Amino acid sequence: NAGVTQTPKFQVLKTGQSMTLQCAQDMNHEYMSWYRQDPGMGLRLIHYSVGAGITDQGEVPNGYNVSRSTTEDFPLRLLSAAPSQTSVYFCASSRAGGTEAFFGQGTRLTVV
Amino acid sequence: GEDVEQSLFLSVREGDSSVINCTYTDSSSTYLYWYKQEPGAGLQLLTYIFSNMDMKQDQRLTVLLNKKDKHLSLRIADTQTGDSAIYFCAESNNYGQNFVFGPGTRLSVLP
Repeated sequence: NAGVTQTPKFQVLKTGQSMTLQCAQDMNHEYMSWYRQDPGMGLRLIHYSVGAGITDQGEVPNGYNVSRSTTEDFPLRLLSAAPSQTSVYFCASSRAGGTEAFFGQGTRLTVV
Repeated sequence: GEDVEQSLFLSVREGDSSVINCTYTDSSSTYLYWYKQEPGAGLQLLTYIFSNMDMKQDQRLTVLLNKKDKHLSLRIADTQTGDSAIYFCAESNNYGQNFVFGPGTRLSVLP
């Protein structure tokens, strides 16, 4: 099993560009989520999904869109990148009713 | 909203015990977690404790929970240089979903 796979690992964007961060899991987990990590602030929840076709906002959703068309994939879209979105992004998945979340290796995004 | 606080830095000598402390505000937390992040890597689950427990021990790791004071600690016995990392305290009120993370404690282990 690959676990949670995020692509790309690194990305540099210009202000105003759009892109999609990919996240895939092969554990048949119902629950998937996106966090961003900023220095001194820990990880903050952006969006989450409790199953295919169902998404909801977390603590810091502005500027990001998500969709969940399959159980395996949960892409995060930046429609118009801003320097404030420079961060490390982590995708996580967990089984419904489970106690552990599995994290991907992260995507380091720089917006210039 | 919920909040999780941790001190940002801790330095210990190799072989000593490390104690990383955390406080949280959400009294409805079901699980409390400790995650480890090594440089350039994702988060690795170290251990977790259910909110109705006081203590959990797992090899060199001991977790203590004071639910009344909303205080969680992680003790690492015989700290090694390989334990140098950022340690995140996190709480969840939904069984491993929608975590609220602390800012992380950077543990430095000195030879």
